[in-house]
Amino acid sequence: NAGVIQTPRHKVTGKGQEATLWCEPISGHSAVFWYRQTIVQGLEFLTYFRNQAPIDDSGMPKERFSAQMPNQSHSTLKIQSTQPQDSAVYLCASSLVGSQNTLYFGAGTRLSVL
Amino acid sequence: GDSVTQTEGLVTLTEGLPVMLNCTYQTIYSNPFLFWYVHYLNESPRLLLKSSTDNKRTEHQGFHATLHKSSSSFHLQKSSAQLSDSALYYCALSAYNNAGAKLTFGGGTRLTVRP
Repeated sequence: NAGVIQTPRHKVTGKGQEATLWCEPISGHSAVFWYRQTIVQGLEFLTYFRNQAPIDDSGMPKERFSAQMPNQSHSTLKIQSTQPQDSAVYLCASSLVGSQNTLYFGAGTRLSVL
Repeated sequence: GDSVTQTEGLVTLTEGLPVMLNCTYQTIYSNPFLFWYVHYLNESPRLLLKSSTDNKRTEHQGFHATLHKSSSSFHLQKSSAQLSDSALYYCALSAYNNAGAKLTFGGGTRLTVRP
C-alpha cells in the first residue's frame, strides 16, 4: 500500500499561470478530499468526492479553482490564473467506508506563486 | 457551520513536562466525532486519536483526550513531553460517521519540545 500519492511535490508558477495538482487515492477508498494548508488558516477544506461524484465544494474559491475526479484512481485540482495568495501546501486525503472517517493524507504539493 | 478552535498557535515546552493542547468546537449536531491529527515535519498528517463517546478517555501513543460534550471540548494531553513530540497538531470535527463526511479542522498548534 503506497498510500495517497500526490504529484508534483513542489510546483512554482508565475502569477497568472495555471497549476494542476494530481492525487492518487489509496486503492479501494471511496472518498477523496482536498485541503489547503497555510500557517494562518491551518487546514482549510476545499472540496471532496464520494465514489467519484462531487459532494461538497463549499471551500473552493469559485472563480479560479476547479476539481475533478474522472476515475477512481485519480483526482485533479486545477488553479487558473494563480495569484500569490494561492501559495500553500495542497493536501489530498482519502477515506474508506467503515473507517469512521479516518483520513489518510498524501504528502502534499507545495505551490509557490511568484 | 461547524467550527473548531485551537487557542494556542505555538506551544513550547521543556522535555518531561506535561502537554495540554486545547480544542473546542461548535456544531449543531448532537453526536459529533472529534479527532486529533499530528503532522511531523516532512511527513503526511496522520490520525493520532479519535472519539465520539462523551466523557470517555481515548488513548494512543502516550497521548489522551476526553470528549466533553457539555463544554464542547476535546483537549489533547500527555503526562510527559518528549523531544519526538515536536510537530503540528490539528483538532478536527465531523458530524457523521461514514467515509465521505468532511472533517473541519482547527488552525493547528505547533508544539516544540526542547531539551
